[in-house]
Amino acid sequence: DVVMTQSPDSLALSLGERATLNCKSSQTILHGSNNRDYLSWYQQNPGQPPKLLIYWASTRESGVPERFSGSGSGTDFTLTIDNVQAEDVALYYCQQYYPTPPMYIFGQGTKLEI
Amino acid sequence: QVTLRESGPALVKPTQTLTLTCTVSGFPLSTTGMCVSWLRQSPGKAPEWLAYIDWDDDKYYTTSLKTRLSISKDTSRNQVVLTLTNMDPVDTATYFCARIKVAAGDAFDVWGQGTIVTVSS
Repeated sequence: DVVMTQSPDSLALSLGERATLNCKSSQTILHGSNNRDYLSWYQQNPGQPPKLLIYWASTRESGVPERFSGSGSGTDFTLTIDNVQAEDVALYYCQQYYPTPPMYIFGQGTKLEI
Repeated sequence: QVTLRESGPALVKPTQTLTLTCTVSGFPLSTTGMCVSWLRQSPGKAPEWLAYIDWDDDKYYTTSLKTRLSISKDTSRNQVVLTLTNMDPVDTATYFCARIKVAAGDAFDVWGQGTIVTVSS
């Protein structure tokens, strides 16, 4: 079974600091059809659905602040939040997609606190 | 504006079948490159993908629940329906429908607010 492992489980920072959230897949998720990594990042606040931040490992979704960036390839990925703001307090999930057979796997989440 | 809204029973008894409806606004379900998925999330847990249906009416299910799940769509009403048979207390969760956008890395780019389902006798 494919497993997505996020680290750390929780992260406490001061306002203005940089947050580094990691995600490791037990299997590579590079797709041959377009050579992209199908890794996405979501932000979730209590009582709300997840919100898409990043797809294809590093493409920012429309409307997402530029302080959010994604990087990595193969099995190791990172979400970086520069200049952390109070409104960034949330749970963050990574998620990978496999096309054959179609399968979506989420990491267990990282809780960001200020 | 794209919106998705889940509806269905808040409480089901063990062994019963759960039927949930996702009403989609803002794009036709027949739009190439757009799919609708169902996910669920238990308290304190990560989201779990359940199933999705694409613009061509192809259907895909998570392996662990494949025998209990069924997804379908009604293009005239722009709705996607999920059924989950033989409900158990471990199926208690918030159930979400979400759009999958192929052009956005097959990610879930728009989510409904979710509907809480409790399984209890």
